[in-house]
Amino acid sequence: EDKVVQSPLSLVVHEGDTVTLNCSYEVTNFRSLLWYKQEKKAPTFLFMLTSSGIEKKSGRLSSILDKKELSSILNITATQTGDSAIYLCAVGVTSGTYKYIFGTGTRLKVLA
Amino acid sequence: DTEVTQTPKHLVMGMTNKKSLKCEQHMGHRAMYWYKQKAKKPPELMFVYSYEKLSINESVPSRFSPECPNSSLLNLHLHALQPEDSALYLCASSQQGTSLYEQYFGPGTRLTVT
Repeated sequence: EDKVVQSPLSLVVHEGDTVTLNCSYEVTNFRSLLWYKQEKKAPTFLFMLTSSGIEKKSGRLSSILDKKELSSILNITATQTGDSAIYLCAVGVTSGTYKYIFGTGTRLKVLA
Repeated sequence: DTEVTQTPKHLVMGMTNKKSLKCEQHMGHRAMYWYKQKAKKPPELMFVYSYEKLSINESVPSRFSPECPNSSLLNLHLHALQPEDSALYLCASSQQGTSLYEQYFGPGTRLTVT
């Protein structure tokens, strides 16, 4: 059965800290890995990764995929209270049809 | 523009009611998705439409009936729901349904079944 696991489940840090969130997967027919940020409403798209070792960066956020280790990390540097959210990882697979499988998410709280 | 819109924002319905959720995108995406999300849980896939044809039904009860009238619109018809169906219903779209494209979510409809 396809599985996506995120760690840690929750994290509390102070403003200015750097955090690393992990996503590991065991799936058949991996196609892509997506990161989302979810505050009170719908998930907001952050990154899509398909190739191993190529870092995607947007401001203080960056992410990289390691296909050998079947995992990805999302880094947030100089955290701000506005980074408080649930960060979701979704893996795109094809098993006859195509779909995205979500991990359980990491709940990040940034304290002022 | 990466906007997916959903209406209504909130819906309260009784167990005998019939209602519909609507989703619209104008990004030219050819894959559209319905997800259900319960509190503190990740989104669970319900249906996928690819080129207006239903390609995935994740064993969803028949009281949920999806419809894709054209490439921009996706509906979810609700009938005889149960209180445990109360959740946030999210619509999403991607350029194609091949898991190699970014998927964008709408703001969701928060459904309460009484």
